[in-house]
Amino acid sequence: EDQVTQSPEALRLQEGESSSLNCSYTVSGLRGLFWYRQDPGKGPEFLFTLYSAGEEKEKERLKATLTKKESFLHITAPKPEDSATYLCAVQARYNFNKFYFGSGTKLNVKP
Amino acid sequence: NAGVMQNPRHLVRRRGQEARLRCSPMKGHSHVYWYRQLPEEGLKFMVYLQKENIIDESGMPKERFSAEFPKEGPSILRIQQVVRGDSAAYFCASSPLTPTEMKNIQYFGAGTRLSVL
Repeated sequence: EDQVTQSPEALRLQEGESSSLNCSYTVSGLRGLFWYRQDPGKGPEFLFTLYSAGEEKEKERLKATLTKKESFLHITAPKPEDSATYLCAVQARYNFNKFYFGSGTKLNVKP
Repeated sequence: NAGVMQNPRHLVRRRGQEARLRCSPMKGHSHVYWYRQLPEEGLKFMVYLQKENIIDESGMPKERFSAEFPKEGPSILRIQQVVRGDSAAYFCASSPLTPTEMKNIQYFGAGTRLSVL
C-alpha cells in the first residue's frame, strides 16, 4: 500500500538553528514528490517538485532533496516567518490521479 | 490571476442536512481535485474531475457524497444527510495539466471548514 510518513510530527527551533524535515515514502514507482507549506486556516502552498533520486531544489532558506526512499527538506538559518506545517505528497507512476499526503511536520521557529 | 476560490469558508450544518461546497479553479485550469483533511492528519484524496467528467472517485465514500464539475460554473462537492464524522476541512485544488504530464502542480484553495452539529 502506498504510504507517506513524515517526521518529526513537530519541531521547535530557535531562529538561525538549521534542521531537516524527513518524508519517507513507499510507492510502486514514484512519478513525483511534492513539498507544500500550509499556514493555519489556509490551503497548502506549493514549494517544490522532485522527480528522480539525486535531484535537489532550492528556494531561499529551503532546500529539498530526494533519494529512492525518502526526501528531506533542509531549512537553513530559519526565521519566525518560516513557522508553518510542511506537507509532503507523492504521485505514483501507476496511479497518477492521486496524490498521497503525509500528516505533515509542524515547524515553530522562535525568535 | 485569482487563485483557487472556495466558498463558503465555514459551513455549519445539523445532522441530516445537505452540505454544498463550491470550488472555482484558477483561470485556464480544467482539472479539479477534492481532498478532506481531519485535524492533525494529512490531506486525503477524494475525487479528480475534468470538465463534465469524473475521472477518479476512488477516494470518495460510496454513499452520500457526490461531485461535479459542469461545463460552466464551479465544481461542487455535495454531501447529503451529513453526520458528525463529516466534520473536516475540505480542500479543492486545480491544475492546468493532466496528471500524466510532467510539472503537474496542484494549486490549492483556502478550504471550507464544515462543522456538523
